[in-house]
Amino acid sequence: NAGVTQTPKFQVLKTGQSMTLQCAQDMNHEYMSWYRQDPGMGLRLIHYSVGAGITDQGEVPNGYNVSRSTTEDFPLRLLSAAPSQTSVYFCASRPRLAGGRETQYFGPGTRLLVL
Amino acid sequence: RKEVEQDPGPFNVPEGATVAFNCTYSNSASQSFFWYRQDCRKEPKLLMSVYSSGNEDGRFTAQLNRASQYISLLIRDSKLSDSATYLCVVGNAGGTSYGKLTFGQGTILTVHP
Repeated sequence: NAGVTQTPKFQVLKTGQSMTLQCAQDMNHEYMSWYRQDPGMGLRLIHYSVGAGITDQGEVPNGYNVSRSTTEDFPLRLLSAAPSQTSVYFCASRPRLAGGRETQYFGPGTRLLVL
Repeated sequence: RKEVEQDPGPFNVPEGATVAFNCTYSNSASQSFFWYRQDCRKEPKLLMSVYSSGNEDGRFTAQLNRASQYISLLIRDSKLSDSATYLCVVGNAGGTSYGKLTFGQGTILTVHP
């Protein structure tokens, strides 16, 4: 059971380049999400998905696209990278919240630098 | 007002000290509560859930006060390895179909020799 995996761990891009951050989970969670974490800003939700074929925007979606073709995978695409997208990106998954002990699991993160 | 608020610190304490972090939340319908720990340059990881009656896990004690919408984390006998950022997390099963988890900005703890 690998939990949540992310690739790559580090990436340097030039302004205007595109790339895809990969995320996969093997816990059969239907809910998956992408966050970015910047100094002093905490975790900010970019996009999320509640199942294959269903995605929605979070707090800071501009500049990012997502798709969810399978329960396991939830890639994040940067279509035209900008320096403002320099950040640490975390993918996460969790079960449906039912008011109990359900919690969220994070991947190890991708550190992205856009020059 | 932020949905989940924490004192960002930093808290600098000597080894062996007792330190407490507080967190307030604005949604009175919130149903689940957690403390996460995030080490430098690592992902957040669950430290402990917070139960209505309060709960302990070794040197860590979590308390919940629903009336005041307040959560606390107490760390006794601090170790150097406790140095990290502690995130308060509040869950609400209502609203969207899968519920919503809201993260505080985190409290930075540094334990020094």
